[in-house]
Amino acid sequence: NAGVMQNPRHLVRRRGQEARLRCSPMKGHSHVYWYRQLPEEGLKFMVYLQKENIIDESGMPKERFSAEFPKEGPSILRIQQVVRGDSAAYFCASSTGQTNEKLFFGSGTQLSVL
Amino acid sequence: AQSVTQLGSHVSVSEGALVLLRCNYSSSVPPYLFWYVQYPNQGLQLLLKYTTGATLVKGINGFEAEFKKSETSFHLTKPSAHMSDAAEYFCAVSGNTGRRALTFGSGTRLQVQP
Repeated sequence: NAGVMQNPRHLVRRRGQEARLRCSPMKGHSHVYWYRQLPEEGLKFMVYLQKENIIDESGMPKERFSAEFPKEGPSILRIQQVVRGDSAAYFCASSTGQTNEKLFFGSGTQLSVL
Repeated sequence: AQSVTQLGSHVSVSEGALVLLRCNYSSSVPPYLFWYVQYPNQGLQLLLKYTTGATLVKGINGFEAEFKKSETSFHLTKPSAHMSDAAEYFCAVSGNTGRRALTFGSGTRLQVQP
């Protein structure tokens, strides 16, 4: 039973390009969370999705960031027109959705913006 | 609204010594509390969690934490540090209703000296 899979592991983009980060949840999990970790800081919640629905996006920046979790395929976190301040580790976690059940985290995508 | 404060961004102990990592929280609803560990270039792994019931919670790798409502604390301890315990530790809180996303502290980096 594979864990939460994130790809790519490392992503390098130039300012103004688009970044797409992918997250495949654990088998049987239909709930996905995205977190961002800036250097020397804790994880900050970004968005919580179920299949085809955004449940809570209170942590998402108002512009350039979007997330989806389609019926088929992985969850995608999309950052348009990246800036240097977007450089961070982006972690995905998944669960079955039961209240405060254990979250399983992926190994993260390290985004570097040049 | 919820928040987590981890006192001490860096803690250094000798191998075999007591490990004490401090965590205080604030929550407008009864909290669920978690400790996660992050090894370099990896995602987060759950050490232990408190939801209801016994306030002393035992986790993996010999760690335990005690929920003290009167002190709004959830400190993590281990009687005897091992070199392999060197990592970043995050305390997190969520409410028992409504928003399910975790709110993380800024982390404590544990160093274990030989």
